[in-house]
Amino acid sequence: AQKVTQAQTEISVVEKEDVTLDCVYETRDTTYYLFWYKQPPSGELVFLIRRNSFDEQNEISGRYSWNFQKSTSSFNFTITASQVVDSAVYFCALSPNSGGSNYKLTFGKGTLLTVNP
Amino acid sequence: KAGVTQTPRYLIKTRGQQVTLSCSPISGHRSVSWYQQTPGQGLQFLFEYFSETQRNKGNFPGRFSGRQFSNSRSEMNVSTLELGDSALYLCASSTSGTSVLDEQFFGPGTRLTVL
Repeated sequence: AQKVTQAQTEISVVEKEDVTLDCVYETRDTTYYLFWYKQPPSGELVFLIRRNSFDEQNEISGRYSWNFQKSTSSFNFTITASQVVDSAVYFCALSPNSGGSNYKLTFGKGTLLTVNP
Repeated sequence: KAGVTQTPRYLIKTRGQQVTLSCSPISGHRSVSWYQQTPGQGLQFLFEYFSETQRNKGNFPGRFSGRQFSNSRSEMNVSTLELGDSALYLCASSTSGTSVLDEQFFGPGTRLTVL
């Protein structure tokens, strides 16, 4: 069985602060994908990143960065210099790389990030 | 390029009724997945269709069913509605769902309220 835990239910920061969203996962699969999605108030999930379990390199995209550590089964997401527009619910998700599809996602409960001006 | 569209956006039904939700994937996408989002259970995978065949299924009762048409449009049906079926139903599409380059795009969802 797969499980994703996002221990932080809500985080509130002031604009320009850095913030890290934690994600811990459990899986018995040897290969899998990890994802982060953003869900703004409009409700539509926005894809942020996909990481293959074989690729433990950290990734940076603008103000966003991701730290994947297989040894601790964690895939944390950091927003640098947060902005009000970053306010949203962020979901971490896991999918097995099997069964003919990469997209049988198990989601965490989400972290509500509020960035105050 | 048009995104994933879902109709209707809002729906109110009463217990015991049935409902059909529709999803039109991005043009060229053949994989369509459905998810249920509730405050209590969060986001849960319902099923995935590819080339008119159900390829993956989550842990939902048989009241939840779906299908995919030859043009990749998909419908999901919930029969004998229960109060607990009130949720945001999200549809997502991807090219094939099997390529490492594939990205899955979500629609805006259908908000179902069961009274």
